[in-house]
Amino acid sequence: AQSVTQLDSQVPVFEEAPVELRCNYSSSVSVYLFWYVQYPNQGLQLLLKYLSGSTLVKGINGFEAEFNKSQTSFHLRKPSVHISDTAEYFCAVSDLDSGTYKYIFGTGTRLKVLA
Amino acid sequence: DTAVSQTPKYLVTQMGNDKSIKCEQNLGHDTMYWYKQDSKKFLKIMFSYNNKELIINETVPNRFSPKSPDKAHLNLHINSLELGDSAVYFCASSLDRMNTEAFFGQGTRLTVV
Repeated sequence: AQSVTQLDSQVPVFEEAPVELRCNYSSSVSVYLFWYVQYPNQGLQLLLKYLSGSTLVKGINGFEAEFNKSQTSFHLRKPSVHISDTAEYFCAVSDLDSGTYKYIFGTGTRLKVLA
Repeated sequence: DTAVSQTPKYLVTQMGNDKSIKCEQNLGHDTMYWYKQDSKKFLKIMFSYNNKELIINETVPNRFSPKSPDKAHLNLHINSLELGDSAVYFCASSLDRMNTEAFFGQGTRLTVV
């Protein structure tokens, strides 16, 4: 079964600084990868996804992620963060189970942007 | 229009009670899910339905029973609530069982006292 590791539980960063949130997954023949953001007391919103093709994926709000098959990683990056980016970020892999895709989530990384 | 909507948003109840959470999606999707997010923010799938048929049933106590009256609705009924059931429950849907992108509702925060 797939597993997802987000090594950093919390990442504090100053406003306008770059940020990288790390995600590693267990290897598989084919893999679909996602980053979701959860703002306080809200549901999950899709930031970006990798299904196939270019390994550099661009998402909403200026975020991007790079799929690295050899390192089984899918790190999320943003060159300049804003206060409004403060939220919980979840990496997820889509795992095939009983003919249905389901998400396996990482434990989340809390991004706190400081003024 | 909200794509995936859950009611209620907050639910506070006493131990031993029975409660239901409702979910509706207006996206025309065939597949719906229930996920549980615990106090440490860990998200785990509980159930999945495809066109009213149960297709994923993770190791969940029998006190939890999902019901899908039609493919646009997936409800979650919980009997004999326990303190450990306190969590945020998320409903989600995807186009079909082979579609990898899921759309999530806003969540229902259940607190058992």
